[in-house]
Amino acid sequence: NAGVTQTPKFRVLKTGQSMTLLCAQDMNHEYMYWYRQDPGMGLRLIHYSVGEGTTAKGEVPDGYNVSRLKKQNFLLGLESAAPSQTSVYFCASSSRQGIREKLFFGSGTQLSVL
Amino acid sequence: KNEVEQSPQNLTAQEGEFITINCSYSVGISALHWLQQHPGGGIVSLFMLSSGKKKHGRLIATINIQEKHSSLHITASHPRDSAVYICAVLHSGSRLTFGEGTQLTVNP
Repeated sequence: NAGVTQTPKFRVLKTGQSMTLLCAQDMNHEYMYWYRQDPGMGLRLIHYSVGEGTTAKGEVPDGYNVSRLKKQNFLLGLESAAPSQTSVYFCASSSRQGIREKLFFGSGTQLSVL
Repeated sequence: KNEVEQSPQNLTAQEGEFITINCSYSVGISALHWLQQHPGGGIVSLFMLSSGKKKHGRLIATINIQEKHSSLHITASHPRDSAVYICAVLHSGSRLTFGEGTQLTVNP
């Protein structure tokens, strides 16, 4: 039981490049989330999903897209990376009750955009 | 003013000391989470509470909904407790807002 797995752990991009971050969970959770963590700020929600085939915008969705084609996977895409997207990205999941239940986090992805 | 404020921002303690980290919030909430972020960056959920008090090992979390305040206590602190502790509040139905975190360092 691996919990929540994020890949890659580190990535450096040039401005304008694209990339996809993968989040996989093996707990059969309905809810999945993508957050970013920046110095001096709390975690901020980018996008989330309440089930397979559904996605919704969070607080800071601009510049990102997501997909939830399979229940266990939640992908975060950057189509044209910008330096402002330099951050640490965390994926999280929770059960059918959503965020009223315990959250499980991935180990994070450190992304630098030059 | 941030919706969620934690104090102190940084805390240094000696091994064995009793530690308190505070979380105050300005919105009506239905629940509050306490999270621990390890030095390596991983985040672990410690507690989710909506009233009263919860205890797990040396960790105790309390919440006072009327006063919009929660505390996380660590008894008999140990260097392995060194981490960032994050408070997050659930409000507006399903919105989760996070505090900036409290950096705790416990020296041997």
